[in-house]
Amino acid sequence: DTGVSQDPRHKITKRGQNVTFRCDPISEHNRLYWYRQTLGQGPEFLTYFQNEAQLEKSRLLSDRFSAERPKGSFSTLEIQRTEQGDSAMYLCASSTRLAGESYNEQFFGPGTRLTVL
Amino acid sequence: GNSVTQMEGPVTLSEEAFLTINCTYTATGYPSLFWYVQYPGEGLQLLLKATKADDKGSNKGFEATYRKETTSFHLEKGSVQVSDSAVYFCALSESGSARQLTFGSGTQLTVLP
Repeated sequence: DTGVSQDPRHKITKRGQNVTFRCDPISEHNRLYWYRQTLGQGPEFLTYFQNEAQLEKSRLLSDRFSAERPKGSFSTLEIQRTEQGDSAMYLCASSTRLAGESYNEQFFGPGTRLTVL
Repeated sequence: GNSVTQMEGPVTLSEEAFLTINCTYTATGYPSLFWYVQYPGEGLQLLLKATKADDKGSNKGFEATYRKETTSFHLEKGSVQVSDSAVYFCALSESGSARQLTFGSGTQLTVLP
């Protein structure tokens, strides 16, 4: 399967601990997105990379959150000093721009469910 | 800013019933519109899309028409199946850009045999 993969699928942590999630996009997709989804809500945009450059960050991405994509392939999302309000599903998506297309379809991974106790 | 408002769920239908899930949006310019589906235990999948006014997106018997005059993109299916049970999300992105998707809150559909 060559879809978007995320690791781990589930993470339980105690308040105040740091956590790191990994996303492996579809091979050769140069765009990578992170979203957060809380129960009963749609995904909310966090940040976006084109290759290794982080081009946009949402106001939702507080100083405790940091994302990297060092070689333009996989990406990591780290949350420092976790809070109970950080409990959510963290989704990764990737895409590539096709010539002549006016949009880019985003392909989503299965998500990492974070529970902060 | 951009926003998407979806019909609140959950929606429960009998097999072969007609489905409509309403979606309206607020956006600057001419966004692209999407319906994504999330089956139990799986990731979000693109169901259909429309990139300009009056376009009709269709897939797996589902249809939605981009109505600029009413800023709507309602999802319809003439005869639902049990296998259509899932959460459906309406979303938009600014046209011609690589920018993020803005999602509605989702509508849970359950189809009973």
